[in-house]
Amino acid sequence: AQKVTQAQTEISVVEKEDVTLDCVYETRDTTYYLFWYKQPPSGELVFLIRRNSFDEQNEISGRYSWNFQKSTSSFNFTITASQVVDSAVYFCALSEVYSGAGSYQLTFGKGTKLSVIP
Amino acid sequence: EAQVTQNPRYLITVTGKKLTVTCSQNMNHEYMSWYRQDPGLGLRQIYYSMNVEVTDKGDVPEGYKVSRKEKRNFPLILESPSPNQTSLYFCASSLSPGQSPGNQPQHFGDGTRLSIL
Repeated sequence: AQKVTQAQTEISVVEKEDVTLDCVYETRDTTYYLFWYKQPPSGELVFLIRRNSFDEQNEISGRYSWNFQKSTSSFNFTITASQVVDSAVYFCALSEVYSGAGSYQLTFGKGTKLSVIP
Repeated sequence: EAQVTQNPRYLITVTGKKLTVTCSQNMNHEYMSWYRQDPGLGLRQIYYSMNVEVTDKGDVPEGYKVSRKEKRNFPLILESPSPNQTSLYFCASSLSPGQSPGNQPQHFGDGTRLSIL
């Protein structure tokens, strides 16, 4: 069964510090997809990034970057020069593709609450 | 505007009184899903639907029902709500026709906060 572990329950940083959110996953499939979502205090879930299992290139989007390493089954998320608006709960998620049934399930980690202190 | 709409946003009710949370999407998505979010547990999938008339259980389906009679709507039904179903519920959709399952990000509604006394 697939599993996503976000070991950091809560993190606090001072504004402008860099912070890395860890995500470790388990899957039996060779084809899978990884996601990060952000949940700000207002409660909605915002999609940040998608990565498939065949693409280990790291990605950077502004102050956000993601490090995908299949060898360690990790998909870590780094925020550079953090800002107060980055304060949110961040979820890592994994989806597998079940062959034959044509369906898939998205499994979320328990989330990491990031607080950026001004 | 592409969106997933849930109603109501907030509901306080009592044990045993049947309720329905509606979910509608305007993106012609084939896949729809319901999650519940509880402190310390993250989001857990309740039910999902790959297309009209095709539904299946997620990780925590007990006490819930769903139906998918139309592509755009996926209501969540609590026939006899109990206090342990007090939670924040999210509906999501993804998978436009012709695309591969699994690699599409899910679009989430704004959430429904249910309190069952």
